[in-house]
Amino acid sequence: QKEVEQNSGPLSVPEGAIASLNCTYSDRGSQSFFWYRQYSGKSPELIMSIYSNGDKEDGRFTAQLNKASQYVSLLIRDSQPSDSATYLCAVNRDSNYQLIWGAGTKLIIKP
Amino acid sequence: GAGVSQSPSNKVTEKGKDVELRCDPISGHTALYWYRQRLGQGLEFLIYFQGNSAPDKSGLPSDRFSAERTGESVSTLTIQRTQQEDSAVYLCASSFGPSNQPQHFGDGTRLSIL
Repeated sequence: QKEVEQNSGPLSVPEGAIASLNCTYSDRGSQSFFWYRQYSGKSPELIMSIYSNGDKEDGRFTAQLNKASQYVSLLIRDSQPSDSATYLCAVNRDSNYQLIWGAGTKLIIKP
Repeated sequence: GAGVSQSPSNKVTEKGKDVELRCDPISGHTALYWYRQRLGQGLEFLIYFQGNSAPDKSGLPSDRFSAERTGESVSTLTIQRTQQEDSAVYLCASSFGPSNQPQHFGDGTRLSIL
């Protein structure tokens, strides 16, 4: 079992709909969770960080964390073609300095 | 500068040559990371520096790879006797301290070995 798992996709979503991206992790001691977006040929950029159970909203983005079920998700409302990218989930282990990265989910927003 | 700066942005070299990649982190960021990303693949951790502590070199794929960092500033990643499988984008990231702080990435160096 990988430490951080994401469906590789591609996930195809019509423009204007909600895109839902999921990530599961294996270490129950994980404390910090991050979503990054990576456009083709570009470096990853931070979208959201979340540390507590529940939802965290920032504009069209909502991160959801459920530590009991060991998953973190990212919702993108009113999806736009410019949201088409690979979304990386990263998880920080308790008392560890490294982020453990998922392989990413490729998202395609269809006009 | 405001962000992580990497140079060169592109490097083409012949197999067997040595290359040196440079990373200038965000000012005040004590943690610095190097990653490798092959085409269509995920991020592969290489090495981590935190302040004056001994670096974590656990991700370096072979002894041809080495990295240095001067204090909490510039870092260089050196690849000796390059091989074609070294072709990849090398990404540097920095963060304000370790652990629960997000990492911020530079634009990367695209390395091509002929």
